[in-house]
Amino acid sequence: DTAVSQTPKYLVTQMGNDKSIKCEQNLGHDTMYWYKQDSKKFLKIMFSYNNKELIINETVPNRFSPKSPDKAHLNLHINSLELGDSAVYFCASSVGAGELFFGEGSRLTVL
Amino acid sequence: AQSVAQPEDQVNVAEGNPLTVKCTYSVSGNPYLFWYVQYPNRGLQFLLKYITGDNLVKGSYGFEAEFNKSQTSFHLKKPSALVSDSALYFCAVPQGGYNFNKFYFGSGTKLNVKP
Repeated sequence: DTAVSQTPKYLVTQMGNDKSIKCEQNLGHDTMYWYKQDSKKFLKIMFSYNNKELIINETVPNRFSPKSPDKAHLNLHINSLELGDSAVYFCASSVGAGELFFGEGSRLTVL
Repeated sequence: AQSVAQPEDQVNVAEGNPLTVKCTYSVSGNPYLFWYVQYPNRGLQFLLKYITGDNLVKGSYGFEAEFNKSQTSFHLKKPSALVSDSALYFCAVPQGGYNFNKFYFGSGTKLNVKP
């Protein structure tokens, strides 16, 4: 069973559209994250949720809205997509002072 | 702010030779340091971490890392490289030293292992 799964794996869309990425973890972890990896492979945290509560919002434009319906799920909705939003978005989870478990990534291409 | 730096964009090594991927850190207090590996078109996978204790930390896939406080380094090593080790490697540190809800990742080092 996949520990952290995110869908879809690929999204190709036009500027101005809205898109969502879903993430689920079956590890029983309390904390979930969204990370963005740009074209130079640089990784940056966007959001962190602990038990459905937002604890980190890393100055991300408010076009990005995360939602955590329960502690096993963390979704990311992006409004009015821009060219600069093209990236790979990774969901991850962790527990305590432990390591991150990453999903396989969702590659977003905005045309 | 806590940070790590990976001074090499790319490391090339022949299969069977030892490999080193470098990481230096800037952390106040005692650092917690992590290494992750990313294979092409995959998510990151945890390799190993230093929290406290022995300076030599052993991890997955035969990798180890040496914590050196005087040089503020945490270099990743493997005695004998495999072609399958070719991947992107990231050093990481939790922000504030202890804020595990927010990691800062280095810029990544691409490891190429040639047959």
